[in-house]
Amino acid sequence: GDSVTQTEGLVTLTEGLPVMLNCTYQTIYSNPFLFWYVQHLNESPRLLLKSFTDNKRTEHQGFHATLHKSSSSFHLQKSSAQLSDSALYYCAHGGYKVVFGSGTRLLVSP
Amino acid sequence: DMKVTQMPRYLIKRMGENVLLECGQDMSHETMYWYRQDPGLGLQLIYISYDVDSNSEGDIPKGYRVSRKKREHFSLILDSAKTNQTSVYFCASSLSRESDYTFGSGTRLLVI
Repeated sequence: GDSVTQTEGLVTLTEGLPVMLNCTYQTIYSNPFLFWYVQHLNESPRLLLKSFTDNKRTEHQGFHATLHKSSSSFHLQKSSAQLSDSALYYCAHGGYKVVFGSGTRLLVSP
Repeated sequence: DMKVTQMPRYLIKRMGENVLLECGQDMSHETMYWYRQDPGLGLQLIYISYDVDSNSEGDIPKGYRVSRKKREHFSLILDSAKTNQTSVYFCASSLSRESDYTFGSGTRLLVI
């Protein structure tokens, strides 16, 4: 069935270092939509990025991701982590229904 | 400002009591969802509603039921709450299955 895999449950970084959160997906849907949601402490998830175009970089608020259908991946990246990036990040794909990954908690320290 | 509103924000119930969680949206979205969120398990889909009286089970529907009598309102009901239903419940809506979600602020339910 459809699934989204986020291999890291927790990523800890020092401020200023680059961020990469992994996301791979499986779906029978030929044109999946991929999303990244971010959830700060005691808040609800909100959309960070979305893409449905193969090999096109999508950017928002300093984060970027590129959908690669050949490898079924949609990794989230940022060149320099900030303290305020500490949050829970969900990758999700939409097709017949939206499927969320289990989430990656990013902890950025000074 | 377009939003999804959940009530109540916090709720404490005793085991065996009935629980009603309410969700409203002002965007005329057809599709609405109920999720629960538990540490390490992410967001688990309980029910989807495609429109008024058009509801489908999600991945973990057991112990829950839903009601959608108006497009803008979607309720989650726990008949005889159990302690393992202690969780944070999120309602969300989307324009279509392929659109991004707008989440409500969540309801923290504690069943004792």
